[in-house]
Amino acid sequence: DTGVSQNPRHKITKRGQNVTFRCDPISEHNRLYWYRQTLGQGPEFLTYFQNEAQLEKSRLLSDRFSAERPKGSFSTLEIQRTEQGDSAMYLCASTTPPGQGSYNEQFFGPGTRLTVL
Amino acid sequence: GQQLNQSPQSMFIQEGEDVSMNCTSSSIFNTWLWYKQDPGEGPVLLIALYKAGELTSNGRLTAQFGITRKDSFLNISASIPSDVGIYFCAGPPLTGGGADGLTFGKGTHLIIQP
Repeated sequence: DTGVSQNPRHKITKRGQNVTFRCDPISEHNRLYWYRQTLGQGPEFLTYFQNEAQLEKSRLLSDRFSAERPKGSFSTLEIQRTEQGDSAMYLCASTTPPGQGSYNEQFFGPGTRLTVL
Repeated sequence: GQQLNQSPQSMFIQEGEDVSMNCTSSSIFNTWLWYKQDPGEGPVLLIALYKAGELTSNGRLTAQFGITRKDSFLNISASIPSDVGIYFCAGPPLTGGGADGLTFGKGTHLIIQP
């Protein structure tokens, strides 16, 4: 399977705990995005990387959230001191390098569903 | 920021019927994207539109980039059970060099009754 993969698929945690999610993009894609999706809404952009550099963060990404992509391949998203409002599906997407393929065709992974009790 | 408004919010149709949904924005988009999301999965790109007035087909799906660049339409002909899901319109912001995250609408939930 050469698509975007995410682990775990489901995570249940208690309020105040820290959680970490992992995303493995399609191997030749140098851009990686994180989105959050709550029930009944479309995905909302959180942050993106070009190779290992984090180039943009949305206002949704509070200081309890941190994302890394240390070697420009897989990425992790950590949420510290989780709150009930953090319950959502966290989606990862990746794209081909600039100039190749169609503009902004982001390929999404299956997501990690987080439930904070 | 930019917002996308999709309508209808949900559709209940009979198998074999044609479906039409739309997406509007108060600001201009240079690219319109239509995604489909199945339960428990990430969105999958269906059609991408890059030019005002463009009409593009993908099998039974047809989408159009509105001439004002503020709207887009998606039509599905002769619906089948596997068309069930949530359809999202999306677009990248005009600023930021084109690499920024996408803005998504809230989706149109398509339900097909056999």
